[in-house]
Amino acid sequence: EAQVTQNPRYLITVTGKKLTVTCSQNMNHEYMSWYRQDPGLGLRQIYYSMNVEVTDKGDVPEGYKVSRKEKRNFPLILESPSPNQTSLYFCASSLSIRGLNEQFFGPGTRLTVL
Amino acid sequence: AQKVTQAQTEISVVEKEDVTLDCVYETRDTTYYLFWYKQPPSGELVFLIRRNSFDEQNEISGRYSWNFQKSTSSFNFTITASQVVDSAVYFCALSPTSGTYKYIFGTGTRLKVLA
Repeated sequence: EAQVTQNPRYLITVTGKKLTVTCSQNMNHEYMSWYRQDPGLGLRQIYYSMNVEVTDKGDVPEGYKVSRKEKRNFPLILESPSPNQTSLYFCASSLSIRGLNEQFFGPGTRLTVL
Repeated sequence: AQKVTQAQTEISVVEKEDVTLDCVYETRDTTYYLFWYKQPPSGELVFLIRRNSFDEQNEISGRYSWNFQKSTSSFNFTITASQVVDSAVYFCALSPTSGTYKYIFGTGTRLKVLA
């Protein structure tokens, strides 16, 4: 089944404790992206990747890191999480970097930083 | 600047009413793509439709229809004869094609369809 998977689905952590949210897609998609969803703010893009080893900042990259060492995986790293990073996070992928392709989303990761 | 505005934060309708969700966008690109996604109460995000900037034909899919007007930079979404299952948050998104590979989402419109 074609899908985007994220782990963990739920995470409660404390300020400053490094964490990684994994994202994997099995569709051989070129483009992958991370979003955060907050009430009243919609979906905001954190980082995106056009292909292996090629990443760029979205609109809200501060406090986050990403890497794309393999085409299928695009982990999101919070090196020193803070309470303002409490949010619902979505990973997404699309076939190509050209904007015509729709995005396929993972199920979301709900992160709480205390 | 690239921007998507969904001015309607929340809409409530009674089942079988028609409802239109507004989406206004800003971009300097001449080629771009617009999307609608649905997020039901279960939380997943589901693609509904894509439209490119050169195709201003309206589209109908069952009870759903989309009206794209470049002159007003709008890409509105109408649900005819709404049903309770249409209750969801709906997001409009813009994908420009020059200079960036960002996607820009609107803030979403929460639609509540009451039985």
